[in-house]
Parts: sequence; structure tokens; C-alpha cells
Amino acid sequence: EVQLVESGGGLVQPGGSLRLSCAASGFTFSSYWMSWVRQAPGKGLEWVANIKQDGSEKYYVDSVKGRFTISRDNAKNSLYLQMNSLRAEDTAVYYCARFRANYYFDYWGQGTLVTVSS
Amino acid sequence: SSELTQDPAVSVALGQTVRITCQGDSLRSYYASWYQQKPGQAPVLVIYGKNNRPSGIPDRFSGSSSGNTASLTITGAQAEDEADYYCNSRDSSGNHRVVFGGGTKLTVL
Repeated sequence: EVQLVESGGGLVQPGGSLRLSCAASGFTFSSYWMSWVRQAPGKGLEWVANIKQDGSEKYYVDSVKGRFTISRDNAKNSLYLQMNSLRAEDTAVYYCARFRANYYFDYWGQGTLVTVSS
Repeated sequence: SSELTQDPAVSVALGQTVRITCQGDSLRSYYASWYQQKPGQAPVLVIYGKNNRPSGIPDRFSGSSSGNTASLTITGAQAEDEADYYCNSRDSSGNHRVVFGGGTKLTVL
């Protein structure tokens, strides 16, 4: 059974940093692209970033470029999102998701809430 | 960049058929995928590719596309289908980015 479990969310002040983690199991993690998708309270889904199987390609939504970094450790079956210079508008539930070639997400974690507030 | 447009809300009588649409330039080149999200839960993939359902998704869910519009059809809507539905696709600019529609709240009457 595919499982994705996010952790690392919490309350952080504007300008602060946070690192999210996603532990993957039930599939060969190193064979798949992975992604982060977020959802602000009461709002829709927003794609944040993708990373290739070996980490050699990474893509970001414009609003987080230069502030967020997606990475992975295939030996630990883990995906990460380093978030710096956080803003109030980054407040959201962040989901880890497995990304497929036709640009869809076939498995999702339960999400971790990030709140940026003073 | 690219945008995908969805109607904010749609309603359907129990047992009837409902179509939820998603419009955008990227859909002329790329398939849309569809997700169901119930309150407090993570999204669940219901349709991907031309018209493919993941294991466990009832066959009352189907997908289609024409021009710049993709559709999710629920034939014989059930009470448990009441949820938010989102479409997504590749960004039409060819830069490996992903776009989502704004979501449609489906009410089953």
C-alpha cells in the first residue's frame, strides 16, 4: 500500500523558515517524480514544486521561486521542502504527492499545516 | 502561464447525471486529470489521461475532452459524491509546470 506521511508543519513568523518532510512507503520511491501541492484555508489546490527521480530537475511555481527548495533522499525514501522567507500568503496545508508522466498526482499524503503569522 | 477555469458550484439530484467542466488553453494539448476532495481530507484522483479511472473509483465517473474543455461526468450521482472537484493539467507554456482549476463544489440534492 502506497503511503505518504508529511511532517514538519507548524506556526512560524513572517520571514522565518521551516522544513517539511514526507516519508514514502509501499512503492519504489526512487522511480518516481514527486511533488508538493498546497491549499490555503478555504481555497483551492496550488501546485508548488516537482522533483525528478534523481533530483536533477526541479520546477517551482513562480510565487515560491528563490524562497523554497524541493529535495529528496532516495536512500531514506523521503521528500523535503525547505521554505525560507515565509510570508502570510504561504499559510496552507502542504501535501506531498506522487507525480506521474501525464502530469497527474496519483497518491497524496494527508497534509501538514503551515501557518505564517506574528 | 496557463489558467484552468471551473464553475464554482454545481448541483445534481440524487441518481441523476452531472457534468463538471474545466476550460483552458492547455487542454488543447494536454489531458486534464480530476480529483475529488471531501472536507478535511486529502484529494483523491478519480480520472486521468484520456479517460482512466484508478483502482477503486466507481465506473459512474468518466472523463472526456473537446477543444479547450475537459469534462468530468458522474452518471447516477450518489450522496457520497458530494465534494469539491478539481481539474489539473500541464502548463501550456511548456515549462514543466502544473496548473489546477479553481475547483467546483458539487451538491447532491
